[in-house]
Amino acid sequence: NAGVMQNPRHLVRRRGQEARLRCSPMKGHSHVYWYRQLPEEGLKFMVYLQKENIIDESGMPKERFSAEFPKEGPSILRIQQVVRGDSAAYFCASSSKNVGQGISSPLHFGNGTRLTVT
Amino acid sequence: TQLLEQSPQFLSIQEGENLTVYCNSSSVFSSLQWYRQEPGEGPVLLVTVVTGGEVKKLKRLTFQFGDARKDSSLHITAAQPGDTGLYLCAGARNYGQNFVFGPGTRLSVLP
Repeated sequence: NAGVMQNPRHLVRRRGQEARLRCSPMKGHSHVYWYRQLPEEGLKFMVYLQKENIIDESGMPKERFSAEFPKEGPSILRIQQVVRGDSAAYFCASSSKNVGQGISSPLHFGNGTRLTVT
Repeated sequence: TQLLEQSPQFLSIQEGENLTVYCNSSSVFSSLQWYRQEPGEGPVLLVTVVTGGEVKKLKRLTFQFGDARKDSSLHITAAQPGDTGLYLCAGARNYGQNFVFGPGTRLSVLP
């Protein structure tokens, strides 16, 4: 887990504020995935990105949520005008290539950002 | 509806007992992974299985991929308190780009 860095570990926002979650993938990894996890539940896919491209955003809510993975710097998951229902743990994972094809390339997860909306 | 179902949802056993947890789907997967997640941390990969009928062993853990590549099982022999955690299965479908996760089995091994 140590290779994928997420920050902050904990984030508290009031309703209506913006939340920015950052993820630095493992060195050499160019594929980033964001997942959301509610207490006592599994991981829900949100978005899959490669450098400067969104590959699959089928799990992203249509409004208020956006993600980017720029050429330089970390991947950012941005939630605008947060609501209490956005409270969850958000996990980022990285891999060295598309795991759908490169089945020997596992997902490496960070330790998550726990967002609390008050 | 869940693409991947896992059972049981919760399991509490005594140290030294054996157990099996299951991951089932009506869909075929090109590969399937098992992860373990401990509180406050991200999931950690245990194994990837790719061939129908494949069996992989990792110390006291035995993983099996169903012949039809729709299901998998994880068997733990002589469970230890250190095995406590959330066990997640994740599958990649042939045409998919992503791994979808099951809801997990929460295992508690009591000393």
